[in-house]
Amino acid sequence: AQSVTQPDIHITVSEGASLELRCNYSYGATPYLFWYVQSPGQGLQLLLKYFSGDTLVQGIKGFEAEFKRSQSSFNLRKPSVHWSDAAEYFCAVHLNTGFQKLVFGTGTRLLVSP
Amino acid sequence: DVKVTQSSRYLVKRTGEKVFLECVQDMDHENMFWYRQDPGLGLRLIYFSYDVKMKEKGDIPEGYSVSREKKERFSLILESASTNQTSMYLCASSSSGGGPYNEQFFGPGTRLTVL
Repeated sequence: AQSVTQPDIHITVSEGASLELRCNYSYGATPYLFWYVQSPGQGLQLLLKYFSGDTLVQGIKGFEAEFKRSQSSFNLRKPSVHWSDAAEYFCAVHLNTGFQKLVFGTGTRLLVSP
Repeated sequence: DVKVTQSSRYLVKRTGEKVFLECVQDMDHENMFWYRQDPGLGLRLIYFSYDVKMKEKGDIPEGYSVSREKKERFSLILESASTNQTSMYLCASSSSGGGPYNEQFFGPGTRLTVL
């Protein structure tokens, strides 16, 4: 079955340090991949998405993600974390069925220390 | 800006009550979704709708039903609430144009507690 794995439940990063959040997917065909962010008390907001082409995609708020087919991964990165980046991050895969159905990972909560 | 609104941010109900969660979007989107979010489980799809009066079961439809009588409104119904339905419920919408490339826009969520 198609699935998305985010192996890290929590990550703590110092403000100004770099960040990488891991995402692995299990899907037979070329996936459509997304990263969403959920700030405290808010709904989810799309950070970036990958469908095809350049495997390094740029998103909002200074985030980027790299698709690596050989590793079935779509890791999210940011070179310098700000305190406002503290949130929960979800990776998701679209199943490319007739409907826009997303399968989400379990999320990674990012804590930013001063 | 796309706006997805949910009728309540917090809701407390008693076991056995019938519960309605309402979601409204203002961007004329064809698709609407209901998810529940639980710690350690991420978001799981309950139901979705791709047109008025059309609905499809998601991954965890048991104990829930939905209604979509108007394009902008999608309701989630708990026929007889149970304590294991205590959760955060998120509504989302998206356009059908362009196929699967379209972003889902999320509401702020309703935190439901069933006592």
